[in-house]
Amino acid sequence: LAKTTQPISMDSYEGQEVNITCSHNNIATNDYITWYQQFPSQGPRFIIQGYKTKVTNEVASLFIPADRKSSTLSLPRVSLSDTAVYYCLVGALGFSGAGSYQLTFGKGTKLSVIP
Amino acid sequence: NAGVTQTPKFQVLKTGQSMTLQCAQDMNHNSMYWYRQDPGMGLRLIYYSASEGTTDKGEVPNGYNVSRLNKREFSLRLESAAPSQTSVYFCASSEEGGGQETQYFGPGTRLLVL
Repeated sequence: LAKTTQPISMDSYEGQEVNITCSHNNIATNDYITWYQQFPSQGPRFIIQGYKTKVTNEVASLFIPADRKSSTLSLPRVSLSDTAVYYCLVGALGFSGAGSYQLTFGKGTKLSVIP
Repeated sequence: NAGVTQTPKFQVLKTGQSMTLQCAQDMNHNSMYWYRQDPGMGLRLIYYSASEGTTDKGEVPNGYNVSRLNKREFSLRLESAAPSQTSVYFCASSEEGGGQETQYFGPGTRLLVL
């Protein structure tokens, strides 16, 4: 499972576009990049997934450069309801040498939207 | 279609007590997962079940046992609770194993061990 690095927190005003970048230098050839959103006191919720170039859905866009060593989640025109923690997850379950599986969400990026 | 449900929502235990966290999904998914989330941390995998009848350890399995009762249900048991197990526990499911497909999470169980 690729190690990921994200900013710990970000602030944005309502109506602005927000871009959250995730670094994943050791991404493997078969790894997909998945973003989840977590509101306080709730479980994470899938936002978007991609492999390369650009993916867009009704909620967000995901930009992945050719080298795939990073990815950027773009939220257009955020509102107060977008205040949440956003997790970047790269790859799938990894089987460790100790006989266990790993699938670790990093600490995520806490996005605060300001009125 | 309730998705993934978890019971209880909140529990307080004394050190040494036991309890079982219940999880059920109605999406006919093969794979199910148990995670824990500590304050300011991401989620860490406790146990994973690729299909009915199979379970595998995750990153932090010590102090926990699991049962994949059937395709719908995946329970997590704490035999002798410790304060270090104070956490929020999330159950998740996905159509197939591997983790790259979308995981659907339950609302979580908040556990406090005194």
